[in-house]
Amino acid sequence: GQNIDQPTEMTATEGAIVQINCTYQTSGFNGLFWYQQHAGEAPTFLSYNVLDGLEEKGRFSSFLSRSKGYSYLLLKELQMKDSASYLCAVRDSNYQLIWGAGTKLIIKP
Amino acid sequence: DAMVIQNPRYQVTQFGKPVTLSCSQTLNHNVMYWYQQKSSQAPKLLFHYYDKDFNNEADTPDNFQSRRPNTSFCFLDIRSPGLGDAAMYLCATSRTSGSGADTQYFGPGTRLTVL
Repeated sequence: GQNIDQPTEMTATEGAIVQINCTYQTSGFNGLFWYQQHAGEAPTFLSYNVLDGLEEKGRFSSFLSRSKGYSYLLLKELQMKDSASYLCAVRDSNYQLIWGAGTKLIIKP
Repeated sequence: DAMVIQNPRYQVTQFGKPVTLSCSQTLNHNVMYWYQQKSSQAPKLLFHYYDKDFNNEADTPDNFQSRRPNTSFCFLDIRSPGLGDAAMYLCATSRTSGSGADTQYFGPGTRLTVL
């Protein structure tokens, strides 16, 4: 079966750095997405990786290793507004998105 | 601004009373999706349309139906809502490219409560 694994919850301190990991086992691979979802709101697109390596976008970076079936989202200079769930999703060989259950990130002052 | 709009944002219905949720988009994307998301769970794909081609996920209950009268609008009909259908319903859109469907963009969602 297809599976996306992410930690259920993480806690970090305002101003710090946090890394949210995602491992996947899917039928084929056509890209990996990270979305941010605040409580009670819709997911918003953060990043997309299809080739190995690091994609940087401001305070957020996303890394992919296709051989390891692994990605991480790195958040720097954490702000209270970064408290949200972060969802990892992989596009499989049928171009369907397989979603993880999300990692709830709690930021403490 | 180009966007995905969902109405209503909050919907309360009674057990067994049909309800329709709507989604519209100004992105001119040809692919539209309906997801169901329960608390602390991954979004679950119910249906998607590639243009007018309807694709029903194998495990989507018959109680759920969808209509897409034109490129901009898509509806989710729940014929006889049960308590287990209380959830956030998310509409998303994307466009197709040479390599399949691109990034999905979501509307704000409709929170459905079933009494």
